Amino acid sequence: QVQLVESGGGVVQPGTSLRLSCEASGFTFSNYAMHWVRQAPGKGLEWVAVIADDGKDKHVADSVKGRFTISRDNSKNTLYLQMNSLRAEDATVYYCAKDVLAPAKYYFDSWGQGTLVTVSS
Amino acid sequence: EIVLTQSPATLSFSPGERATLSCRASQSVSNYLVWYQQKPGQAPRLLIYDASKRATGIPARFSGSGSGTDFTLTISSLEPEDFAVYYCQQRSSWPKITFGQGTRLEIK
Repeated sequence: QVQLVESGGGVVQPGTSLRLSCEASGFTFSNYAMHWVRQAPGKGLEWVAVIADDGKDKHVADSVKGRFTISRDNSKNTLYLQMNSLRAEDATVYYCAKDVLAPAKYYFDSWGQGTLVTVSS
Repeated sequence: EIVLTQSPATLSFSPGERATLSCRASQSVSNYLVWYQQKPGQAPRLLIYDASKRATGIPARFSGSGSGTDFTLTISSLEPEDFAVYYCQQRSSWPKITFGQGTRLEIK
């Protein structure tokens, strides 16, 4: 069955960087677009970024543009989110999510369990 | 940005009752509307896509309807496991997709 396992979350200071990873299994990773979606504790969902199946096309939300970069390594079945210049408002749970198809359809049929990022001085 | 408004924020029902959840878009999203269910401590689960199509493995008691700006998720007869938070999401304006703020379905 599909498994998505995020890692890399933790406590960081404002202005610093963090890289999240999402290891995928149970499906042909290179055939699907992948996303990052975040959710502040007790709050709603916010889409963060998408990457095409081959990694060539990427988009990020305006709220993280210029600071966050999405990437993938299909040889390792792993999705990444490089987060720079972190702000207090970036402190949320980050989920990786599998698109239903490629090219991306922008909805998600599998999600990881999430990794928590805390930004605090 | 397309804003999705889910109202009310909380609904209270008893098991066996019929529940209707609403999602309204600030502009037309055609039928590109998706519903998810989220239980405490869990990731969201895909229920409905393209406004009315049930995702794989979703029970028939869940149904979606609507187009344009007004959408509804109906649970025909609530089971105890259905009490959760429900989110709508539009994918019409990709890549700038947006979610509603969620409706909590609680046991009366």
